[in-house]
Parts: sequence; structure tokens; C-alpha cells
Amino acid sequence: GAVVSQHPSWVICKSGTSVKIECRSLDFQATTMFWYRQFPKQSLMLMATSNEGSKATYEQGVEKDKFLINHASLTLSTLTVTSAHPEDSSFYICSARDGTYEQYFGPGTRLTVT
Amino acid sequence: GENVEQHPSTLSVQEGDSAVIKCTYSDSASNYFPWYKQELGKRPQLIIDIRSNVGEKKDQRIAVTLNKTAKHFSLHITETQPEDSAVYFCAARFQGAQKLVFGQGTRLTINP
Repeated sequence: GAVVSQHPSWVICKSGTSVKIECRSLDFQATTMFWYRQFPKQSLMLMATSNEGSKATYEQGVEKDKFLINHASLTLSTLTVTSAHPEDSSFYICSARDGTYEQYFGPGTRLTVT
Repeated sequence: GENVEQHPSTLSVQEGDSAVIKCTYSDSASNYFPWYKQELGKRPQLIIDIRSNVGEKKDQRIAVTLNKTAKHFSLHITETQPEDSAVYFCAARFQGAQKLVFGQGTRLTINP
């Protein structure tokens, strides 16, 4: 089956710094990638949808300037959390579609901002 | 707006019994309804999905039913086992949109 990887799997950063998370589709070309955020004991909340070569579409309430998304190729999307604060600590999960119905999820990145 | 409601939030059943989780969605044009199982700290794993042109789908102990008129779909797990314990999420893809909107999740506990 299709495989999506994320890097890093966990990261700790200081308040005010920026963190970049990578999402890669390993064995297929991802026409569309999605970024979700999941707080403890809560559901997955979609942050943004990105198509290769286009600007990301952000969900209502998600700050574009704080969560920078780049989808430069059909196999790579990145999420940069700028000027991170403790409230940004969460589990960030990407997913990708190859044009079929199914959506494949990455293993997630646990971000802790101190 | 795009909304998926999931019930119950927690469910505890005896091993060997059946478990049912229900979801409703807001957009009658939704066309794809997957169910995911998520263990603590792990990615969601697709366990079964159904498209809008099908009313029921079964895969061994797991089945999903879809009622388009009522805009709800359900997950049925039979002969539950301890390894079925996890959080289960339903989701719906809304017509014209690429994104999946998730339900709130159900924490299923199988008691031995």
C-alpha cells in the first residue's frame, strides 16, 4: 500500500523559534496533501489542504502566516510553525491522496514547545 | 457547513459482544465515508470505507452501513476482541471538496 512518512517524529523547541515538519509520499505521487492537528483526546482537525505548485487552502481560524505550508513537489509538503508558543504543542499529522478515494496518513509529529 | 457528528464518545463492551458506532453528516452530496482506528500516539489506520453508491460493506468482523436518506453511517464490529480497543473515527468527504472531515471519535474498550 501507499506509504507516507513524516520527519521528525518528535521535536522539542523553545518558545519563539520556528519548526519545520516534512511530509513525503514514498511510493506514489501525491496530488493533494493535508495537514491535521490533534490535541490529546481530541479528533483530527484539518488545518490546510495543499496542491502541488499551488498555494495552500487554510481552514477557518488557522493563521496562514503562522503555519506556512509549501508543496513544492508531488512527493513533498512541509509545514513550518513560525514563532512557536506552548499552545502550539500538539500532534501534527499529514496525509496524502494519489487521486483515488483513499487518503494515506503519515505517522505524525509530536511538537512540544517549552 | 461541513459537519460530522459521532456517537457515542466512549463505548465499553464485553469481549465477544458487538460494538456499534454511529455518525451523521451534514452534506447530502458527500460521497465517501471511511472509518479509522487510532491507537495512542499512532497514525489513523483505515479499517473500512464505503462510497455513496453502496449501502453496506463487510470485511470479516467489520461492517459499515450507509443510509443516504438519513445522512448517517455506522460501524459494526462483531465478536470483539481485546485488540479492538482503540479510538475510532468516522469521516466524510464532502462533494466538491478534497478534504475529509472527521467525527469526534469513540473510545472503544473491550473488557475481557
